[in-house]
Amino acid sequence: DTGVSQDPRHKITKRGQNVTFRCDPISEHNRLYWYRQTLGQGPEFLTYFQNEAQLEKSRLLSDRFSAERPKGSFSTLEIQRTEQGDSAMYLCASSFETSGNSYEQYFGPGTRLTVT
Amino acid sequence: AQSVTQPDIHITVSEGASLELRCNYSYGATPYLFWYVQSPGQGLQLLLKYFSGDTLVQGIKGFEAEFKRSQSSFNLRKPSVHWSDAAEYFCAADTGGFKTIFGAGTRLFVKA
Repeated sequence: DTGVSQDPRHKITKRGQNVTFRCDPISEHNRLYWYRQTLGQGPEFLTYFQNEAQLEKSRLLSDRFSAERPKGSFSTLEIQRTEQGDSAMYLCASSFETSGNSYEQYFGPGTRLTVT
Repeated sequence: AQSVTQPDIHITVSEGASLELRCNYSYGATPYLFWYVQSPGQGLQLLLKYFSGDTLVQGIKGFEAEFKRSQSSFNLRKPSVHWSDAAEYFCAADTGGFKTIFGAGTRLFVKA
C-alpha cells in the first residue's frame, strides 16, 4: 500500500488550454473523491465515484470539468479551456466504504495548477 | 446550510505550551467530525475522527478532540506543542455519505 498518488504534482498552463490530472487511489478502495483547494481555504468537494460510477457532482464542477474512473481504479480529472480562476490545488482522496462501516478518506499530495 | 467554521485564521503558541483549535459546525443532525493536518506541499493527514460514543477522541501525534453537542463544537487540543506541529489544521464534517465539508483552516505557528 503506497497511499494515494497524483500526477503531475505541478502544472502550469496558458489560459484556454486543456489539462488532465491523474489520481491513483489505494488499491482496495472503492470510493474516490476530487476536491479543489484555493489559497487560504479548505478543500471543496467536486465529485466522487463509487467504483466506476460517478455518483455526485458539485455545482462547482462546471461543464468544462469532466472526471472519469473507467475501471474503478485510477481516475482522471480534465479541465477544458482553462481559466485563471481554475488555478488551485486539486486533491484526490480515496476510501473503502461498505454498508455499516465507518470510513476515512486518505488524501493524495495534490496537483497544483497555475493558469497564466 | 451545512457549514464548518474555524474562527481563528492563525494561532501562535510557544513550544511546550498547550494548544486549542476551535471548530463549530452547523448541520441538521450530528455529523461525523474530523480533524486533518496539512503541511506545506503535503496532502491532508487525518489526526482523529468522531463518529459516535465517547465524546473525547484520541488521535495521532498526541492530539485529542472533544465533541460538545450543546455547543456544536469539536475543538482540537494538544497539551504540549512541538515545533514540528506547525502546519495548517482543518476541521471537517459529513453525514456519513460522500460530501465532506471543510472549514477554512487554522494556521498554527510555533515559536521557540
